[in-house]
Amino acid sequence: DTAVSQTPKYLVTQMGNDKSIKCEQNLGHDTMYWYKQDSKKFLKIMFSYNNKELIINETVPNRFSPKSPDKAHLNLHINSLELGDSAVYFCASSREGQEYYGYTFGSGTRLTVV
Amino acid sequence: GDSVTQMEGPVTLSEEAFLTINCTYTATGYPSLFWYVQYPGEGLQLLLKATKADDKGSNKGFEATYRKETTSFHLEKGSVQVSDSAVYFCALSDRKFYFGTGTSLTVIP
Repeated sequence: DTAVSQTPKYLVTQMGNDKSIKCEQNLGHDTMYWYKQDSKKFLKIMFSYNNKELIINETVPNRFSPKSPDKAHLNLHINSLELGDSAVYFCASSREGQEYYGYTFGSGTRLTVV
Repeated sequence: GDSVTQMEGPVTLSEEAFLTINCTYTATGYPSLFWYVQYPGEGLQLLLKATKADDKGSNKGFEATYRKETTSFHLEKGSVQVSDSAVYFCALSDRKFYFGTGTSLTVIP
């Protein structure tokens, strides 16, 4: 009964490869997010989708492309992976207009590019 | 714009010591305030929250009071345990979410 689930938990890949991370939430939330956490634990928002529509797109290389097939899923595809993409990526969700309840986070995907 | 500033770590305490992690915020509206905790190798979990001035959030022995006059939401615990070792994030929500930079806490026996 995991609320926000991400797969895979760990991903090790070579530079130049293309990879995807999947996220699903079963909370009935309308909005989903991708965050990147660097080695110093700093959290940076990358994207936000509301009901399958992109609403936040921070300054992120266009090698990163989010895809939301429905409001319960938000996947992250990364092309031509670089060493600097190594980080932990977190998916999160919230109910539209009820952000004061906070976000629910997935357990993260640790991406290592070698 | 809105922002959150929290004290830098790392913080190291002995078991049963008193904990304070400072957090101040800047906001144009009336945000909700949160503390999230990230245990090693895990995602962020909501620890406590407060939605309006003078509200006190509490959970697992941790407390924080929403102080509008000082724009603060400091996290406190009277007696920390080894199991409290984690990274703590202060955050605010005012339509958008803003996280602080995180404070690493290590509690030693």
